[in-house]
Amino acid sequence: DTGVSQDPRHKITKRGQNVTFRCDPISEHNRLYWYRQTLGQGPEFLTYFQNEAQLEKSRLLSDRFSAERPKGSFSTLEIQRTEQGDSAMYLCASSLGSGSTEAFFGQGTRLTVV
Amino acid sequence: GESVGLHLPTLSVQEGDNSIINCAYSNSASDYFIWYKQESGKGPQFIIDIRSNMDKRQGQRVTVLLNKTVKHLSLQIAATQPGDSAVYFCAENALDDKIIFGKGTRLHILP
Repeated sequence: DTGVSQDPRHKITKRGQNVTFRCDPISEHNRLYWYRQTLGQGPEFLTYFQNEAQLEKSRLLSDRFSAERPKGSFSTLEIQRTEQGDSAMYLCASSLGSGSTEAFFGQGTRLTVV
Repeated sequence: GESVGLHLPTLSVQEGDNSIINCAYSNSASDYFIWYKQESGKGPQFIIDIRSNMDKRQGQRVTVLLNKTVKHLSLQIAATQPGDSAVYFCAENALDDKIIFGKGTRLHILP
């Protein structure tokens, strides 16, 4: 499968713990996006990268959230000191880059904070 | 802030009929629009896109219409099938290539 891959698919963690998610984009894609989605809502933009450069981080995102894409390929999203409100589906997408090209999504990581 | 939204949260359509899902956007700088389909437990799946220099684009059983004057986007699905049941999102891509989603419309197919 050469699509966007996310790991893990599901994560249950206790409040206060740190979690890290991984996204492997389609290999030739330069642009990588992270979104968060709660039940009944559309995906909410978190951050995106052009190669290894982080272009923007949503103002809605607290300092507990950090994302990296060190070599311009896979990306990680870390949430520190998780809270119950962090429970959501975390989606990753990739695209070829600027020029309004189609973004392909992974299956997401479902996080449950208990 | 500016956002993409949808008029109807739920749409029920008889199998075999045509479905029309509407979307309003507010960012006049957006130059690219996408419709996504999301089935339960899965990530959004690309359906069709349209650039701002077009007003209509057709795919297989789907047509997207763009009215820039009133900032309105619609997705038409011909001969709706049970497999079309899903939540449909419109999304816009502004000049900064940041894809912004609306809340979604759930499409129910009636037998």
